[in-house]
Amino acid sequence: GQQVMQIPQYQHVQEGEDFTTYCNSSTTLSNIQWYKQRPGGHPVFLIQLVKSGEVKKQKRLTFQFGEAKKNSSLHITATQTTDVGTYFCAPYSGGGADGLTFGKGTHLIIQP
Amino acid sequence: DAGVIQSPRHEVTEMGQEVTLRCKLISGHNSLFWYRQTMMRGLELLIYFNNNVPIDDSGMPEDRFSAKMPNASFSTLKIQPSEPRDSAVYFCASSLMGSSPLHFGNGTRLTVT
Repeated sequence: GQQVMQIPQYQHVQEGEDFTTYCNSSTTLSNIQWYKQRPGGHPVFLIQLVKSGEVKKQKRLTFQFGEAKKNSSLHITATQTTDVGTYFCAPYSGGGADGLTFGKGTHLIIQP
Repeated sequence: DAGVIQSPRHEVTEMGQEVTLRCKLISGHNSLFWYRQTMMRGLELLIYFNNNVPIDDSGMPEDRFSAKMPNASFSTLKIQPSEPRDSAVYFCASSLMGSSPLHFGNGTRLTVT
């Protein structure tokens, strides 16, 4: 499957601060998906990015796909305690089972 | 829609015993994935089916692991014999097709003593 580097592995923020996680690939991707997993829960699909340079927003969450389609980011504005969890990217390069391999995830810890 | 249903939610067994994990897909979904999650390794893809046919099983750790899809809506993951290092949370996920968003079940937490 497609391999990606996701950074940081852990991120501690104060409630109200912003948060960003990055997903980087050495090869061009067809699309990329983002998932959130709450502690003790299962991964839940957030969004899929397909186009070069695409930016999508979901309330306080902003997702970007790089111009070269090799990297992506998730930015959360003014974090809340409900944002706690692990955020995974899942890249898809096209064909076979590629793209079904998840990054290591970024664990977001929020201090009230 | 009930979503992806996994059973059991928790399984505790002794080393050497056979373990069978079950998964019911969302109706109409054609792709089925089994994942294993641990702190050390993260979320690992074990095997992927499309239209009941195994497409990629390169993530299956060894011959002790086997997965089947006897029909379009049901799958099993079997470990025989189980070992303590198999302890993990096992997730099943389904999608309309390979690159579509995945819908995960609640997982089975397996503990092998």
